[in-house]
This record gives sequence, C-alpha cells and structure tokens, in this order.
Amino acid sequence: GENVEQHPSTLSVQEGDSAVIKCTYSDSASNYFPWYKQELGKRPQLIIDIRSNVGEKKDQRIAVTLNKTAKHFSLHITETQPEDSAVYFCAAVGYDKVIFGPGTSLSVIP
Amino acid sequence: DTGVSQDPRHKITKRGQNVTFRCDPISEHNRLYWYRQTLGQGPEFLTYFQNEAQLEKSRLLSDRFSAERPKGSFSTLEIQRTEQGDSAMYLCASSLGVAGDGELFFGEGSRLTVL
Repeated sequence: GENVEQHPSTLSVQEGDSAVIKCTYSDSASNYFPWYKQELGKRPQLIIDIRSNVGEKKDQRIAVTLNKTAKHFSLHITETQPEDSAVYFCAAVGYDKVIFGPGTSLSVIP
Repeated sequence: DTGVSQDPRHKITKRGQNVTFRCDPISEHNRLYWYRQTLGQGPEFLTYFQNEAQLEKSRLLSDRFSAERPKGSFSTLEIQRTEQGDSAMYLCASSLGVAGDGELFFGEGSRLTVL
C-alpha cells in the first residue's frame, strides 16, 4: 500500500544551526506535499507545502524541496530557534488520500 | 473559537465499554477526516466524509468502529467493546475542498485510555 518514510526520527541541533528532514513516498499519484508541525500536547498545524509542479519553495527560515522523479521531498529549517522544537510530519497527498510520515522530533538546544 | 473542536479531550474507560467522540469541523468545510495517532507515530487515516457521505474507510477500521456525519456538519466516532489497543489520540480534521487542494485543519484530539 501507499507509504511515506521519514528520517531521521529524532534530531537535535544547536540554536542557530540548520535542520533537514527527509521524506520518501511510494504513491505516484501524490501531487501535494504538506509539512505539519505538532508542539507537545497541541494539534498539528501546516507550516509549508509544495505541489508537484514546483521543485522548491521558501518561506522565511523554512524551505521545502521536491524531487518527483526520485519521490523525495525535504524540509529545511535555517537559523533554528528553541521555538522550532516540535514533532514535524511530512505527508503525501493524492486527491483526498493523505498519508503521513511517522514524524521527526526536533530539539533545538539553546 | 472558529477552529475544529473535539469532545471529550480525554476519556478513560474500562475494556469492553463503548465510547463516542464528537468532532465539530470549521463550518464551511465539506470534508471531515478521522485519524488515530499513537506515541511516536504520524496520524493514521481512519475514515473521511464529504458532507454526510462516508467516502472511504481504512482497512484498519475494524467493525467495532463506526463513524457518522448525519447532517454534513458534526461527526461522531464510536468504538464499541473497547480494547487496550484502542488507546490512542483520535484526531479530527476538516478541509474546504479535497485534501490535495490545501490545508487540513486539525482539532486538538480526543485522548482515549482503555484500562
């Protein structure tokens, strides 16, 4: 069945450093790739997304890249801050089917 | 608060009891999704509705689970004869159109503990 893999499962970085989270997906019909951030005890919230006709998208300190041929997409956070500490989920969406990755727990050490 | 709301936020029950969760989506959203999330995992799809029609159910959803959205507004998820393995966070999300068109808005979840 459809699957989304995500690595690493945990990531610790020093404040100010960059963080990179990578995902791969299996469903060729996927054409929309959102990233959600979930802080402890809170709901997942969309932070950035990318569509299959775009290779890269940037929003301030956050960027996402997509390689549709290889079925890879990545989240890049630059100049990390303690408030970036959370669990990040990637997802692959084909029409109405949303498959989430298992999540990456990011810790930013002050 | 005009976001997605879920009730109750926490439920502790004994094995074998039935539980029901309610989700109120954002009012103009026609799609409503139920997910289950366990510790260290991403949200796992259970089922979704377009208005009052239930369009898909996960193979993971045993016959003890049933969901309804009778008037195309709020939805309920009922678990009958709960088992310890049902302990999880049950998340509801809604969207204005198809999921591939944009953001899913999540509720804060209903945490179920089965003793």
